[in-house]
Amino acid sequence: DSGVTQTPKHLITATGQRVTLRCSPRSGDLSVYWYQQSLDQGLQFLIQYYNGEERAKGNILERFSAQQFPDLHSELNLSSLELGDSALYFCASSVTSPGGGSPLHFGNGTRLTVT
Amino acid sequence: AQSVAQPEDQVNVAEGNPLTVKCTYSVSGNPYLFWYVQYPNRGLQFLLKYITGDNLVKGSYGFEAEFNKSQTSFHLKKPSALVSDSALYFCAVRDDQAGTALIFGKGTTLSVSS
Repeated sequence: DSGVTQTPKHLITATGQRVTLRCSPRSGDLSVYWYQQSLDQGLQFLIQYYNGEERAKGNILERFSAQQFPDLHSELNLSSLELGDSALYFCASSVTSPGGGSPLHFGNGTRLTVT
Repeated sequence: AQSVAQPEDQVNVAEGNPLTVKCTYSVSGNPYLFWYVQYPNRGLQFLLKYITGDNLVKGSYGFEAEFNKSQTSFHLKKPSALVSDSALYFCAVRDDQAGTALIFGKGTTLSVSS
C-alpha cells in the first residue's frame, strides 16, 4: 500500500458531463501530481501542486482543472467530457518541493469511462 | 526537453534466466532516473532510482539497474527471473534543471514463462 488514496475507483459518465476525482496524498507529502494513462498515449503528466500552489503543468487540457486544498488533498475536475477522455487517472505524491530525487508514490487510480 | 524511450514493447524470458528491460533518456541537465512496475489494475510501484554515485543501483525484489552516461541508458536487470515478475515496467526521468514531474516511457511488458 503506497499510502495514496484515490476515490472513486471507477466512474462511468456520459459525454458532456463533469466529474471530480479526489486524491489524498501520503502523510507528510506536500507535492501532488496527476497523470493520465491510456493505451494510445501511455502515461501522461497533467499537473503538479506543491503545498497548495500549482508548480508545473504538462499535457493538461483546458477542460481539465485541479486544485490542492489546505489539508493537502487534491481534486481533478474534468468537464465537457469526451469519449477520448476515457482513461485511468493516477494521483501521486512526494515529500519534496521542486527538484530532488524523491520518488513519486502512486495511488491505485480512478478508471473513468465516458459513454 | 526531457524524454524517455523504452525500445521494446514486450520482453519474454524463461523463469530462472536473466532479464534486461531497456531504457534510454534525454535531458538537458543531470538526470534523475527511476524504474516503476505496474501490476494489472494497480498503481505504479517504485522499484529503484539513480540520482548520483555508483552506476549500479539495487532496488526492490532483486532488481538492479545500470546507469551509463555515455550511452544515456538506464537498463533494468535481474539475474534470475520469476514468473511473478511478469508485469508492465516503466522507466522515468526527471531533469534536475526542469522541475519535478517525472516523464515516463511507454512501458515494457515483461512476460516470464515457467
